[in-house]
Amino acid sequence: EIVLTQSPATLSLSPGERATLSCRASQSVSTYLAWYQQKPGQAPRLLVYDASTRATGIPARFSGSGSGTDFTLTITNLEPEDFAVYFCQQRGNWPRTFGQGTKLEI
Amino acid sequence: QVQLMQSGGGVVRPGGSLRLSCAASGFIFKNYGMHWVRQAPGKGLEWVAFIRFDEQTKYYSDSVKGRFTISRDNSKNSLYLQMDSLRPEDTAVYFCAKDLIRGTTNYFDYWGQGTLVTVSS
Repeated sequence: EIVLTQSPATLSLSPGERATLSCRASQSVSTYLAWYQQKPGQAPRLLVYDASTRATGIPARFSGSGSGTDFTLTITNLEPEDFAVYFCQQRGNWPRTFGQGTKLEI
Repeated sequence: QVQLMQSGGGVVRPGGSLRLSCAASGFIFKNYGMHWVRQAPGKGLEWVAFIRFDEQTKYYSDSVKGRFTISRDNSKNSLYLQMDSLRPEDTAVYFCAKDLIRGTTNYFDYWGQGTLVTVSS
């Protein structure tokens, strides 16, 4: 099973700042990695897939990068609605796995 | 618009059974793989099961293999999860989720609203 390790566990920033979230895979997943945003009481929302492709309707301030085992989600010019929990997920191998999440807080 | 409407869930005793349903609309259901993903209270996301668009392939996480069964009825645009031999550690909100791209991709672009399953004596 591929283990995804996200860092940091919590990231404290202010609106207007830049957030950098990391996801490291225990073995290569090529570029088969996605990022999701989840707010309390809601289902996750797909932000980025294939490491760097923004999903439909996702603002350009969200960008993904990386390949192999190291991936980054960058959120520029943080908006108040961006404060949430972010998960990475791989589809390189079965079982599909998620990281443990990074909480982005004000 | 795409909608995944879940039903089922509730409280069940250890060793008991429960069936979750997910009614899909707004897309051609028979063309997409579907998944169940769960989230224990206050915890992260755990992928549970997958069924290919044509039912020819199913995968399960090790934690539920042999106890849970994923199925679908393309004539009814519906996805199911039969959960048997339930354990307290199965307590979670269960989400159904749709594959992003026709065929198979295993990224999840639409999710159900989630349904809480509580396994407790």
